[in-house]
Amino acid sequence: DAKTTQPNSMESNEEEPVHLPCNHSTISGTDYIHWYRQLPSQGPEYVIHGLTSNVNNRMASLAIAEDRKSSTLILHRATLRDAAVYYCILRSSQYSGGGADGLTFGKGTHLIIQP
Amino acid sequence: KAGVTQTPRYLIKTRGQQVTLSCSPISGHRSVSWYQQTPGQGLQFLFEYFSETQRNKGNFPGRFSGRQFSNSRSEMNVSTLELGDSALYLCASSLVVGQETQYFGPGTRLLVL
Repeated sequence: DAKTTQPNSMESNEEEPVHLPCNHSTISGTDYIHWYRQLPSQGPEYVIHGLTSNVNNRMASLAIAEDRKSSTLILHRATLRDAAVYYCILRSSQYSGGGADGLTFGKGTHLIIQP
Repeated sequence: KAGVTQTPRYLIKTRGQQVTLSCSPISGHRSVSWYQQTPGQGLQFLFEYFSETQRNKGNFPGRFSGRQFSNSRSEMNVSTLELGDSALYLCASSLVVGQETQYFGPGTRLLVL
């Protein structure tokens, strides 16, 4: 899987929007951009994923640059419950031999929410 | 629908012992993946099972093994435990082959003394 680069930590205030950046300059045409987050003392949780177009779901929005070399996870109105480590992960849509390739987690961004 | 369950949640072992961890995937999910999380190395992929066969494997020694049963439940085993095996072991399930979204359990925290 191609490598991603994220800031180590970010801080935001409650009820304000949060923009979490991710750089993936070596992304290939078949790579999907996935975001997972891990709340304290829990397993990772899927947030959102996309290929080329911007994506929205009930948790967040994903904005993908036109050249796909970067993306931004947007939490529209952060709450204290959104404090977590956020991981940006690239996954190829091409699977060889069946089975799910393991997710390659980097260090992620530690998001701190101030009340 | 019940989520991914892992047992036990906490475990203490001593060096040289072996341990077996269990994972029950979400009903209908056929792919189970295992990960190890440590403060130093972060989250690392161990292996993935689908239809009772190991399909993919991460870069871990042969002391780490696993299996999957016909009902998709999975176990992982670590033999000859070392202090460095102390970690949070996470299991994740996926619906079908190639499914992109993985759903994680709460993990089993293993402490090796």
